[in-house]
Amino acid sequence: DTEVTQTPKHLVMGMTNKKSLKCEQHMGHRAMYWYKQKAKKPPELMFVYSYEKLSINESVPSRFSPECPNSSLLNLHLHALQPEDSALYLCASSQDFTSGGPISYNEQFFGPGTRLTVL
Amino acid sequence: LAKTTQPISMDSYEGQEVNITCSHNNIATNDYITWYQQFPSQGPRFIIQGYKTKVTNEVASLFIPADRKSSTLSLPRVSLSDTAVYYCLVGAGGYQKVTFGIGTKLQVIP
Repeated sequence: DTEVTQTPKHLVMGMTNKKSLKCEQHMGHRAMYWYKQKAKKPPELMFVYSYEKLSINESVPSRFSPECPNSSLLNLHLHALQPEDSALYLCASSQDFTSGGPISYNEQFFGPGTRLTVL
Repeated sequence: LAKTTQPISMDSYEGQEVNITCSHNNIATNDYITWYQQFPSQGPRFIIQGYKTKVTNEVASLFIPADRKSSTLSLPRVSLSDTAVYYCLVGAGGYQKVTFGIGTKLQVIP
């Protein structure tokens, strides 16, 4: 199974709602990522989990709260979002190498994304 | 992190070879060069990766000169289904943070 799945595919929420995005992979990858992508812009990294621990937080507002309950699952909890948070949210996973030296960059496998609209 | 520069857009006719060049003047010794393809409303998909010289797989070739300050993605005989945005990334193994550049929007014309 070389697929990353994301649910839901589309989500519309009000600014006072609480919702969660889910991501799942069964490739044995130990690194998982959340990206945000606005229309006609490149993906922007939000969070990176390595071995279920948060290793990178790109100064994301606290209204976005990531969670990695186990090595296959990644959640993004949303609360009190703003309309400008409307975007495509992408999850990705990769093998995680912690050894040094010029080893190849770890290919990231992306899910199809969740299209989020905040009203 | 090494910054990348690519053309914003390119047009090509079906059946032609397309070459997209990416500049990465401050690439580090440990950095690899990776290209992704993204269709609208889908996640990016890995195309090819290389460190130096030439790499070829079933979908593309990647040419990297000796100084590694640039790289060229070559797509042979493109079809309409190759219309997408192509991103060049530079990053090192064991380092998870990579930055997507602006990407090149390739439009294949019938």
